[in-house]
Amino acid sequence: SAVISQKPSRDICQRGTSLTIQCQVDSQVTMMFWYRQQPGQSLTLIATANQGSEATYESGFVIDKFPISRPNLTFSTLTVSNMSPEDSSIYLCSVEADRPYEQYFGPGTRLTVT
Amino acid sequence: QKEVEQDPGPLSVPEGAIVSLNCTYSNSAFQYFMWYRQYSRKGPELLMYTYSSGNKEDGRFTAQVDKSSKYISLFIRDSQPSDSATYLCAMSDNQGGKLIFGQGTELSVKP
Repeated sequence: SAVISQKPSRDICQRGTSLTIQCQVDSQVTMMFWYRQQPGQSLTLIATANQGSEATYESGFVIDKFPISRPNLTFSTLTVSNMSPEDSSIYLCSVEADRPYEQYFGPGTRLTVT
Repeated sequence: QKEVEQDPGPLSVPEGAIVSLNCTYSNSAFQYFMWYRQYSRKGPELLMYTYSSGNKEDGRFTAQVDKSSKYISLFIRDSQPSDSATYLCAMSDNQGGKLIFGQGTELSVKP
């Protein structure tokens, strides 16, 4: 199994600022995913990030708001831009495992926007 | 209507009880059905995985899929306090690994 770490684990940010979340995997993986988990809500996929190509965003999420970088096969970043209180959430990265449709998740980044 | 519906609970049971967790879905293209377990302040981890219809058993856990009713279940036998967590159902069709999650059911098993 893959071990995934995320930084920061939590942060409190002011409205209008941006935060970059880092995701590090202990092995090389092709596909990485970024999810949002709002209080009382299901995990919602933000985008899929493949190394060497533009991230693919889900409906309702745009690159200007959530720019993603994927510089190599073990690392990705998600930036939450121009934050508002509605962006308060847990952000998780995940990677695809060997078994189809299994994903390993990081511990998450708990973001509060004031 | 959400693609996947799951009763959020919370659900509280005594130790040793049988627990039944359920999800319904609307997309008939879903072929892969998963149950993830998420402990507090941790990321979800895969618990059970089923392809298409049928039952699958792993120790105290049994996953059932009824595609005709668009209904999946997870049963936990002889529940333990260590089973206290949020259980999320997840589903996928053949579209590039994208998972659709239910809301999650918060389970508490009391000693």
